[in-house]
Amino acid sequence: GAVVSQHPSRVICKSGTSVKIECRSLDFQATTMFWYRQFPKKSLMLMATSNEGSKATYEQGVEKDKFLINHASLTLSTLTVTSAHPEDSSFYICSGEASYNEQFFGPGTRLTVL
Amino acid sequence: GDSVTQMEGPVTLSEEAFLTINCTYTATGYPSLFWYVQYPGEGLQLLLKATKADDKGSNKGFEATYRKETTSFHLEKGSVQVSDSAVYFCALRGAQKLVFGQGTRLTINP
Repeated sequence: GAVVSQHPSRVICKSGTSVKIECRSLDFQATTMFWYRQFPKKSLMLMATSNEGSKATYEQGVEKDKFLINHASLTLSTLTVTSAHPEDSSFYICSGEASYNEQFFGPGTRLTVL
Repeated sequence: GDSVTQMEGPVTLSEEAFLTINCTYTATGYPSLFWYVQYPGEGLQLLLKATKADDKGSNKGFEATYRKETTSFHLEKGSVQVSDSAVYFCALRGAQKLVFGQGTRLTINP
């Protein structure tokens, strides 16, 4: 199957700082990318959907100004957590969509905010 | 809204045991149904899928049948292996987005 990478795999930052997470589709073009958040022993919750070259669509309850998403090319999307706080600590997962109903997931990024 | 409920874990079995992980869903319309697997340290991988009622998805010895009458998509395997240890997610896709169950951690002991 197609491969999606995420960088970094793990990041620790201080409260109040911003963190950027990259998501790349390595061997396919992803016109749509999705960002999820996964809490311990909980399901994946969709945060936002981004289409290349346009603004992301955020799910209800997700702060647009806190979780900035950029989808600059067909192979790269970034999620920036601005002014991070301990409650933002979580596992963030991206996926790229190559064709209808086929999403390929990255390995995830564990964010810890101290 | 659409939702997926799956069997609470963790589930621990011995090698060669029979596996069932229950999954039921609530959705408007006719969603596609999926099972994803997440091995330690890796991303989610599509295990199998079914796009319409009575379809059976199968892969690597795992099977699941789309049951519209019971709104279920239970995952089964006749003889599990240690390498099947992972977290399994049931999911549906309605109009646009995937909706996941909470995941079931499966551990197979030799």
